[in-house]
Formats: sequence, structure tokens, C-alpha cells
Amino acid sequence: EVQLVESEGGLVQPGGSLRLSCAASGFIFSTYWMTWVRQAPGKGLEWVANIKQDGSEKYYVDSVKGRFTISRDNAKNSLYLQMNSLRAEDTAVYYCARTPPAGHHDYWGQGTLVTVSS
Amino acid sequence: QSVLTQPPSVSAAPGQKVTISCSGSSSNIGSTFVSWYQQLPGTAPKLLIYEHNKRPSGIPDRFSGSKSGTSATLGITGLQTGDEADYYCGTWDNSLRTYVFGTGTKVSVL
Repeated sequence: EVQLVESEGGLVQPGGSLRLSCAASGFIFSTYWMTWVRQAPGKGLEWVANIKQDGSEKYYVDSVKGRFTISRDNAKNSLYLQMNSLRAEDTAVYYCARTPPAGHHDYWGQGTLVTVSS
Repeated sequence: QSVLTQPPSVSAAPGQKVTISCSGSSSNIGSTFVSWYQQLPGTAPKLLIYEHNKRPSGIPDRFSGSKSGTSATLGITGLQTGDEADYYCGTWDNSLRTYVFGTGTKVSVL
């Protein structure tokens, strides 16, 4: 059974940093692109970033470029999102998702809430 | 502001059919695969349709997808109260070099 489990989020002050992780199981992690998606309270889904199987390609939405870094450790079956210079508008539930070759997202984690506030 | 436009809401009585449109452009829907997601209140999104019209295992055939030009459509027949949720289309955008989600549509069962 495919499982994706995000680490606990939390409350962070504006300008602060937080690293999210996503533990994958039930599939060969190293053979899939992986993605982070977020959802601000009461808002729609926003794609954040994705990463190729070997980490050689990464793409980001403009609003997080230069502040967020996606990475992975295939030996640990884990996906990461390092978030720096956090802003109030980064407050959201963050989901990790598996991404097959056609580009859709077939399995999602349960999500973790990140709140940026003083 | 999303590059994929959906109606904010649609509604119908139980057993009826609803359709949700997703309007894009040549750089996204016109040239890449469209997928659809269902998000029940308080839960993570769930894949309903991928590659325009394919259903993952376990998704009933009451859900269908289609694409024409730069627009896509999700259809739900035999509407049930359990279908009340938010629905999002999504696709890769070759100009933005990012995946994009639609604005989302809330389905209500009257």
C-alpha cells in the first residue's frame, strides 16, 4: 500500500525557516517524480515544487523561488521541502504527492499545517 | 490567480448529472494531459481522472473526463450526497514550467 506521511508542521515567525519531510513507503520511491502542493486556509490548491527521480531537475512556482528548496534522499525514501524567509502568505496545509510520468498526482499525504505568524 | 478557470459552484439533485468545465490555453490543456481531483471537506485531494479520461482503480464510472482543444470537462452522473466536495482540474503548463490547478468548483447536492 502506497503511503506518504508528512512531518509535523508548526508555527513559525515571519522570516523564519522550517523543513518539512515526507516519508514514502509501499512503492519504489526512486522511480517517481515527487511534488509538494499547498492549500492556504479556505483557498484552492497551489502547486509548489517538484523534483525528478534522481534530483537532477527541480521546478518551483514563482512565489517560492529563491526561498524554498525541494530535495530528496532515495536511500531513505524521503522527500523534503526547506522553507526559508517565510511569509504570512506561506501559511497553508502542505501536501506531498507522488507524480507518475503523465504528470498527475496519484497519491497524496495527509497534509501538514504550517502557520507563519508573529 | 490560476491560469485554469472553473465555475465556482455547480449543483443538482441526487441522481442527476453535473458537468464541470476547465478552461485553459494552448500552453497547458491544449498540449498536456489533464487530471481531476476531488477534495472532500477536511481531507487531502484524491485523484479522480488522469490523462484526460482515465480512472484510477476504485473510481466508479459515474466519473468521466474529456478534453476538447483548450478546455476539459469532468462529468458526474448519478449524483450522490457523498459527491459533495471541491473539484480541481490540473495540468502542466509548458510556458510557466509549472503544474497548475484550476480555481476549483464546489459541487452541492440539492
